[in-house]
Amino acid sequence: QVQLQESGPGLVKPSGTLSLTCAVSGGSISSSNWWSWVRQPPGKGLEWIGEIYQSGSTNHNPSLKSRVTISIDKSKNQFSLKLSSVTAADTAVYYCARRLGLGYYFDYWGQGTLVTVSS
Amino acid sequence: QSVLTQPPSVSTAPGQKVTISCSGSSSNIGNNYVSWYQQLPGTAPKLLIYDNNKRPSGIPDRFSGSKSGTSATLGITGLQTGDEADYYCVTWDNSLSAWVFGGGTKLTVL
Repeated sequence: QVQLQESGPGLVKPSGTLSLTCAVSGGSISSSNWWSWVRQPPGKGLEWIGEIYQSGSTNHNPSLKSRVTISIDKSKNQFSLKLSSVTAADTAVYYCARRLGLGYYFDYWGQGTLVTVSS
Repeated sequence: QSVLTQPPSVSTAPGQKVTISCSGSSSNIGNNYVSWYQQLPGTAPKLLIYDNNKRPSGIPDRFSGSKSGTSATLGITGLQTGDEADYYCVTWDNSLSAWVFGGGTKLTVL
């Protein structure tokens, strides 16, 4: 059973960089899957941020692309998100999720972590 | 607003059935598979339907999915109070080169 667990600071200052890590257990991050980040502002819907393949290839949401960096660390079986120049609008619960290689769905999700942008 | 359009809310009585629509375009639903997710209050989304109409192991057959043209539909029969949740549709958008989510539909079982 694959499990994903997000971790990182729960509070980030405006104009700073949000950094989160998703640890994968019960499976290898080097398998033929895509690893995604999805966020949900309080009381609002879900928004896809971007994803990374084990080769390092990435896809990003065009609306966030200039601020997003997604990386993978095979030695630690984890992947990470960096979102720069954050504002209060980036306050959200951030989820990591897995998408099967050629699949059109996200089958495993982390429990989510709330990140608040505030001074 | 979202690329995929869902009704903000639906409500029905226990034991009844409900359908939730997801409307898109030829750049997304019209040419790609749709998946559906259930998000219970305070929890992560859970995969309900994938590839338009397939159910993962463990999802009861009360949940069904269909697609026609540029729209998809989630159906739930034998509604229970435990089905009260937000439901989201998702697909790939070829024009945006991005995964797009519907705005979500809040299901209330009165």
